[in-house]
Amino acid sequence: LAKTTQPISMDSYEGQEVNITCSHNNIATNDYITWYQQFPSQGPRFIIQGYKTKVTNEVASLFIPADRKSSTLSLPRVSLSDTAVYYCLVGNAGNNRKLIWGLGTSLAVNP
Amino acid sequence: EPEVTQTPSHQVTQMGQEVILRCVPISNHLYFYWYRQILGQKVEFLVSFYNNEISEKSEIFDDQFSVERPDGSNFTLKIRSTKLEDSAMYFCAGDRDRGQGEQFFGPGTRLTVL
Repeated sequence: LAKTTQPISMDSYEGQEVNITCSHNNIATNDYITWYQQFPSQGPRFIIQGYKTKVTNEVASLFIPADRKSSTLSLPRVSLSDTAVYYCLVGNAGNNRKLIWGLGTSLAVNP
Repeated sequence: EPEVTQTPSHQVTQMGQEVILRCVPISNHLYFYWYRQILGQKVEFLVSFYNNEISEKSEIFDDQFSVERPDGSNFTLKIRSTKLEDSAMYFCAGDRDRGQGEQFFGPGTRLTVL
């Protein structure tokens, strides 16, 4: 399973766009990139998943360059309620379905 | 929207006691997982379960742990003789057959071992 590296923490203000970058230099050909959000004392919540280029949903966008060695989660116009820990995970289904978690990025959105 | 539910939300127990944590996964999910998160630390994989058997387990999941899907809806994690270091949030998760990592998590059970 590919190891991921992301910033420990980030600060932002309400209304700003936040970009969190994750590096995964050893990503395998059949790996997907998945981002989760976790609020204190709650279970992680799936945000977005992609394989290459750009994926957008109602919550976020995920940008993946051609070499796939990194990815950027983009949160448009954050609000106070986006204060959470964001995790980047890399893996594939196959026979290995478990998710391996890092420490994530703790995002603080300030008024 | 269907959700994963877990009971109890908080369990306090004495060291050495048995606890059973319960989960009701989303009905069309086929793969089930237990994770735990010690306060302030990473989420850690414990075990995955498919077709009524364990498909993978971590080194944390020793003989004190067991999982069961007794009736086709509930999914339980039993800790036979709790230790202080078992104090953590325990999350149940599930996913559909298509995989690639989109798992749906429950709200967790906070286990406190005294």
